[in-house]
Amino acid sequence: GAGVSQSPRYKVAKRGQDVALRCDPISGHVSLFWYQQALGQGPEFLTYFQNEAQLDKSGLPSDRFFAERPEGSVSTLKIQRTQQEDSAVYLCASSLSGHSSSYEQYFGPGTRLTVT
Amino acid sequence: QQQVKQSPQSLIVQKGGISIINCAYENTAFDYFPWYQQFPGKGPALLIAIRPDVSEKKEGRFTISFNKSAKQFSLHIMDSQPGDSATYFCAASNSNTGKLIFGQGTTLQVKP
Repeated sequence: GAGVSQSPRYKVAKRGQDVALRCDPISGHVSLFWYQQALGQGPEFLTYFQNEAQLDKSGLPSDRFFAERPEGSVSTLKIQRTQQEDSAVYLCASSLSGHSSSYEQYFGPGTRLTVT
Repeated sequence: QQQVKQSPQSLIVQKGGISIINCAYENTAFDYFPWYQQFPGKGPALLIAIRPDVSEKKEGRFTISFNKSAKQFSLHIMDSQPGDSATYFCAASNSNTGKLIFGQGTTLQVKP
């Protein structure tokens, strides 16, 4: 079976542009997470979906960041009016279940966003 | 503040040696502690994980030691190989949220 896929792998945006990053989780995985990884740092949590419900968006850094998962599978992270500080790798992870019995999160390769 | 502190920041080990990376956490509600391995340009890959009801877990050359009272856990890589050269992250989460809180990472270099 395929793992988590993300597209595009690389994105260069001019400051002020809007971007959309896509995540295809492992088929059948209920939970989906977005993380932001700055250069040389550990990933930091952005938001979490269980099926189509966004249960936690406490990590989104500003109201310019928006995530959706309308049909409970593919998810899109949108960043409006990009700023230089948004430059980072955006990682998506999926997990079989939101219940305590299945915690393992499997990560995609990430999208490297560079804002110029 | 939910934090996970990881040390050392970087580590150089000779081939065949033991690599040891340490992590400490603050939130006693954490009940799941995974370790991830990340190569340049790749996403983190789950290596091994432990829950607080056991003090040690071993999978091949990788062992997690867990000290609940000290709120510390560590990764031991036995017989380290050049192919183990990567960045390692510890993390923690609890069943109420699922979100992972990561350490700052350790860059491991295994010299041949």
